[in-house]
Amino acid sequence: ETGVTQTPRHLVMGMTNKKSLKCEQHLGHNAMYWYKQSAKKPLELMFVYNFKEQTENNSVPSRFSPECPNSSHLFLHLHTLQPEDSALYLCASRRTGTLMAQYFGPGTRLLVL
Amino acid sequence: GEDVEQSLFLSVREGDSSVINCTYTDSSSTYLYWYKQEPGAGLQLLTYIFSNMDMKQDQRLTVLLNKKDKHLSLRIADTQTGDSAIYFCAERNFNNNDMRFGAGTRLTVKP
Repeated sequence: ETGVTQTPRHLVMGMTNKKSLKCEQHLGHNAMYWYKQSAKKPLELMFVYNFKEQTENNSVPSRFSPECPNSSHLFLHLHTLQPEDSALYLCASRRTGTLMAQYFGPGTRLLVL
Repeated sequence: GEDVEQSLFLSVREGDSSVINCTYTDSSSTYLYWYKQEPGAGLQLLTYIFSNMDMKQDQRLTVLLNKKDKHLSLRIADTQTGDSAIYFCAERNFNNNDMRFGAGTRLTVKP
C-alpha cells in the first residue's frame, strides 16, 4: 500500500535532540494514527486523530508530541527521548464511518542513543 | 480489557499449507482482519471478514471464523518462501474507531 508515506525511514538521535516524524496519506481518509512497535511486544496505539482532532492519547509520555494540521498530514515531534523509545513508529489512516480497515505506512525506524 | 491472542511462531515447509490461529474476547467484534508485515516494512492488509460470515476465500488465502468460539484462522495454501513474514490478527467493533491487534505470528517457510 503506497497511499501512506512516512519520512524519514530511519532516524538516529541523541537523548538531547529534537526531531520530527512525518506521515502523509493520499487516500482521502479522515482518521490518522500513531503506533509504536517494539521488538517482542504487541503494537501500541499512541495517538488517534479524527478530522484533525485528537481523540485518543494512550498515556503517552509528554516527550512525544503529535500534531495534525489537516486530515492528510500527521507529525510526531520528539524531544529528550530515552533509549527505550527506540522502536518502529508506524502511521496509519482510515476513513471513519465505513467498513474500511486501517492502512499503514512503512514506518520510521528510530534509534535513540 | 479485551484481548486478541496469537501464537508467536509457526514454521512450515515450502509447498505445505500454513494455518495461523487467533482468538479474541470481545463478543461485539464486528470486523476481523489479517495483516502481513515483511521485514523493515509496515503492515499490509491481507484480507478481512465480517462477523456474519463463516468463511472467506481469496486465491491462496482462506479465512475461517468461528464466532461461537471467537476463533479466527488464516490458511495459506501452497506456502512459498515469500510468505515468510509476521501475520497480525486484528478486530474492531462497529462502535469503535480503534482496532485491537494480536502480538503477531512469525511464519517461517523452509525450502
